Amino acid sequence: QKEVEQNSGPLSVPEGAIASLNCTYSDRGSQSFFWYRQYSGKSPELIMFIYSNGDKEDGRFTAQLNKASQYVSLLIRDSQPSDSATYLCAVILSGYSTLTFGKGTMLLVSP
Amino acid sequence: EADIYQTPRYLVIGTGKKITLECSQTMGHDKMYWYQQDPGMELHLIHYSYGVNSTEKGDLSSESTVSRIRTEHFPLTLESARPSHTSQYLCASSDRNTGELFFGEGSRLTVL
Repeated sequence: QKEVEQNSGPLSVPEGAIASLNCTYSDRGSQSFFWYRQYSGKSPELIMFIYSNGDKEDGRFTAQLNKASQYVSLLIRDSQPSDSATYLCAVILSGYSTLTFGKGTMLLVSP
Repeated sequence: EADIYQTPRYLVIGTGKKITLECSQTMGHDKMYWYQQDPGMELHLIHYSYGVNSTEKGDLSSESTVSRIRTEHFPLTLESARPSHTSQYLCASSDRNTGELFFGEGSRLTVL
């Protein structure tokens, strides 16, 4: 079982809709969770990180963490075509000091 | 703002050549990393370093080697390049407090 799982997509949403991206992880002791965005041919860039259960909001982005269920999600409100990219979930698993990345979910926002 | 630089950005070379991909960061981060990523595929950690004179192999076996003689510099070397080494190589460093990774712009290597 892969340690960080994401649906590869593509997830298609119309402009203005809410995009919901999900990520599950295998290690219950994990403490740090990150969402990165990667445009085609570019490097990943951090959207936000979350450490505590609950929601964390930053502009149009909300990260949601549920440690009991071992999932972390990213909501993008008022999706724009410029949000079309691959979204990478990354976790620092317990016993590791490096980030473990999921395979990423491709998001397509149509005008 | 992240300050991590990679050179060259693009490199096309012949089989058997020795190449070094340079990576430098000005943020004073102790931890640095090299990832390999093929187009449309996932990131694979190939090397990392916790500080000067510290290097470790990552999850994906790689024929490349790295060195860490200075905190700000983490070069990756391929002694004899092969077509199977064709890929994008991403260098990163991390903030010790948050664990956040800052990526360079990448070096796209093509071996003919």
